[in-house]
Amino acid sequence: GESVGLHLPTLSVQEGDNSIINCAYSNSASDYFIWYKQESGKGPQFIIDIRSNMDKRQGQRVTVLLNKTVKHLSLQIAATQPGDSAVYFCAENTGNQFYFGTGTSLTVIP
Amino acid sequence: ETGVTQTPRHLVMGMTNKKSLKCEQHLGHNAMYWYKQSAKKPLELMFVYNFKEQTENNSVPSRFSPECPNSSHLFLHLHTLQPEDSALYLCASSRSTGGGTGELFFGEGSRLTVL
Repeated sequence: GESVGLHLPTLSVQEGDNSIINCAYSNSASDYFIWYKQESGKGPQFIIDIRSNMDKRQGQRVTVLLNKTVKHLSLQIAATQPGDSAVYFCAENTGNQFYFGTGTSLTVIP
Repeated sequence: ETGVTQTPRHLVMGMTNKKSLKCEQHLGHNAMYWYKQSAKKPLELMFVYNFKEQTENNSVPSRFSPECPNSSHLFLHLHTLQPEDSALYLCASSRSTGGGTGELFFGEGSRLTVL
């Protein structure tokens, strides 16, 4: 089966600092990747996506980097805010299925 | 307002009860999914429907029975569940199940507790 893992289960950052959340995936055939944010008691929310023909994609305060050589995905959040506290997980798309990581819990310290 | 609505948000049931979870999407999507989310585990795909047809059953026990009457509605019928089935059940939709058709849109989930 697929293996999508996150390097750290928890991450604490000071408000205003940048956050980096990492994800490793196992299937080199995966061609589409997504980062989701899940707040307590809510469903996962789309943050940003990237296709395998790209190395980097930027959104509002977020950047996703894709390194296909080492099958690594990262999410960078600039100027982290208290509202960014949540669980973040990556998903890879292979064929018709999405495979998800277990998640990194981000805590922003005021 | 989310494009994917799940009801009920919370459900407590005994092992002999029969209940159903409902999902409705207002996004015009053709594919709908049920996922199970347990603590400290990745999301587990349960069922996939594309244009009302089931395309994936991820070895889910028969005590979970999905129903997809149309592309906008998805049900999960529950019968004689076990305590280990307690989890957050997430419904999702996407434009289609074909590769690269875009992200999954999730509902807020139904928190199920089996006593």
